[in-house]
Amino acid sequence: GAGVSQSPRYKVAKRGQDVALRCDPISGHVSLFWYQQALGQGPEFLTYFQNEAQLDKSGLPSDRFFAERPEGSVSTLKIQRTQQEDSAVYLCASSLAGREFNEQFFGPGTRLTVL
Amino acid sequence: GQQLNQSPQSMFIQEGEDVSMNCTSSSIFNTWLWYKQDPGEGPVLLIALYKAGELTSNGRLTAQFGITRKDSFLNISASIPSDVGIYFCAGRVNTGNQFYFGTGTSLTVIP
Repeated sequence: GAGVSQSPRYKVAKRGQDVALRCDPISGHVSLFWYQQALGQGPEFLTYFQNEAQLDKSGLPSDRFFAERPEGSVSTLKIQRTQQEDSAVYLCASSLAGREFNEQFFGPGTRLTVL
Repeated sequence: GQQLNQSPQSMFIQEGEDVSMNCTSSSIFNTWLWYKQDPGEGPVLLIALYKAGELTSNGRLTAQFGITRKDSFLNISASIPSDVGIYFCAGRVNTGNQFYFGTGTSLTVIP
């Protein structure tokens, strides 16, 4: 498809496990964002990539969270030693540059549940 | 961080009615965006606003960038059942990469 895809759609982890969430942005989109959305809340910014460069990671809640985009396309968000408070939907979005930087296309999200 | 408050938190309206919702910020933004999110899906961009005072329409939707740059408004005319969902505002300052999202307005349309 032509949209942003994310996998897995659902992930259940035991507390302490590591998880990896994948995002396939729209082809040609240089900008890629990760957001965390808690139940009943709006998305909260985690990190931003321009191509392969991670230009802003100020939203990552702890050093257990790590994101990469090594070839400037697919991105992975990794959470180490998951905690119950990490349970949320993780959304990926991509956009072009210039004014269209603002016009983000979101994926369906990965719902993470930590038991 | 930036706080964006949306009101009302939820709305229950009859099909055919018009809807108004707003978003206020504690800080000035240079870009305002309105999204709609359906259950189990990511937000979908409805309208983008780039200039204070700007009024932009997308079909039955009309949004305005407040003059103070600290608020924005979304109106939906003649609501239909498929308008059901959660509406989020988002704002950005030009010097940053972060988009700050509001708390959301849940819309229910009663046929």
